[in-house]
Amino acid sequence: SQQGEEDPQALSIQEGENATMNCSYKTSINNLQWYRQNSGRGLVHLILIRSNEREKHSGRLRVTLDTSKKSSSLLITASRAADTASYFCATGLIQGAQKLVFGQGTRLTINP
Amino acid sequence: GAVVSQHPSWVICKSGTSVKIECRSLDFQATTMFWYRQFPKQSLMLMATSNEGSKATYEQGVEKDKFLINHASLTLSTLTVTSAHPEDSSFYICSARDSGHSPLHFGNGTRLTVT
Repeated sequence: SQQGEEDPQALSIQEGENATMNCSYKTSINNLQWYRQNSGRGLVHLILIRSNEREKHSGRLRVTLDTSKKSSSLLITASRAADTASYFCATGLIQGAQKLVFGQGTRLTINP
Repeated sequence: GAVVSQHPSWVICKSGTSVKIECRSLDFQATTMFWYRQFPKQSLMLMATSNEGSKATYEQGVEKDKFLINHASLTLSTLTVTSAHPEDSSFYICSARDSGHSPLHFGNGTRLTVT
């Protein structure tokens, strides 16, 4: 069964704007990861945040984690057309932490 | 960085035939690999965890006799879709990690179409 839900399911913004995607999950986690998928391709890892971390940055990406609310957000600043893709959060569970459970994903479209 | 190669990238087969998909870790050893299935515009559903030298662990609802997984070496796992039917048409993706809780490295997926 799916662990997470992502919000929104689809997001369309203009190039240069910031894009924010949210992810909620149900059970306790070891870590939370964000992945990107271009259409018809595999997933590319973007960033990992551990359960004892609250915020993490990587280039134009900013991820927050609120374990009390069981939620995370991914912010992409100064978006570019090349950022158009689907973005998935994935949780590494405390039990069976080897495997990841993916959220439903957000389809992001950046309009030039 | 760690690379996972998946082959073939797409395959079309007739109903009733079997299809084998290979997943290789090119520059690292993977004692564990994961097989996912993805329907159009949907998320990845974990099918099974492939363990080198032992039986795969299947998720609930996944038929192990239908989706045969073999992980004979530290760099290769195969998924065989047996007696394929049109409803098996999907995007299959493998992944592996090179250590502990490190991020997953994904293959580029295999688009299976069963006619």
